[in-house]
Amino acid sequence: KNEVEQSPQNLTAQEGEFITINCSYSVGISALHWLQQHPGGGIVSLFMLSSGKKKHGRLIATINIQEKHSSLHITASHPRDSAVYICAVRSNYQLIWGAGTKLIIKP
Amino acid sequence: DAGVIQSPRHEVTEMGQEVTLRCKPISGHDYLFWYRQTMMRGLELLIYFNNNVPIDDSGMPEDRFSAKMPNASFSTLKIQPSEPRDSAVYFCASSIGPYNEQFFGPGTRLTVL
Repeated sequence: KNEVEQSPQNLTAQEGEFITINCSYSVGISALHWLQQHPGGGIVSLFMLSSGKKKHGRLIATINIQEKHSSLHITASHPRDSAVYICAVRSNYQLIWGAGTKLIIKP
Repeated sequence: DAGVIQSPRHEVTEMGQEVTLRCKPISGHDYLFWYRQTMMRGLELLIYFNNNVPIDDSGMPEDRFSAKMPNASFSTLKIQPSEPRDSAVYFCASSIGPYNEQFFGPGTRLTVL
């Protein structure tokens, strides 16, 4: 079993829909990262969380340390949000990566 | 700030050749990370440096891979000799601390024929 699991693996939605991507982990962590990788390949760090919730524009990230679970939400989704979203947890000086969720937003 | 700079952006080489990838971290960032991304294995941490010193190189696949950081503004990842299975996108990232957000470079897409 992978230490970091993301769901769903693939998600296709219509423009405007509310999107939720989930990340569950099985190890003790000091922080959790959400990153975005566009079709062109560039990786952008979206959030780093150790507790609670963070918001940036239409993106919201939450983490529940007790349940070892984090969610990334996108409100009013747009085709330009189409990308792979990657969850990574920091545990014992290592960064353990999820496999990513491929999101496609159709106009 | 220009962000993390990597060069070259694309490299095509033949099996057996030496390949050198370059990275300039964001000024003031004390941590530098080298990652490799493939379809099969996703993102893998190869090695990271703190203040120019290699801290963890357990992700380096084998002796053909070596990384150096001669100063705070420059790092190299070298593959010698290269093999087709080394074909991947290699990312460099930097951060101000081990638990801080990492800023990624644009990556180097390496193809070994």
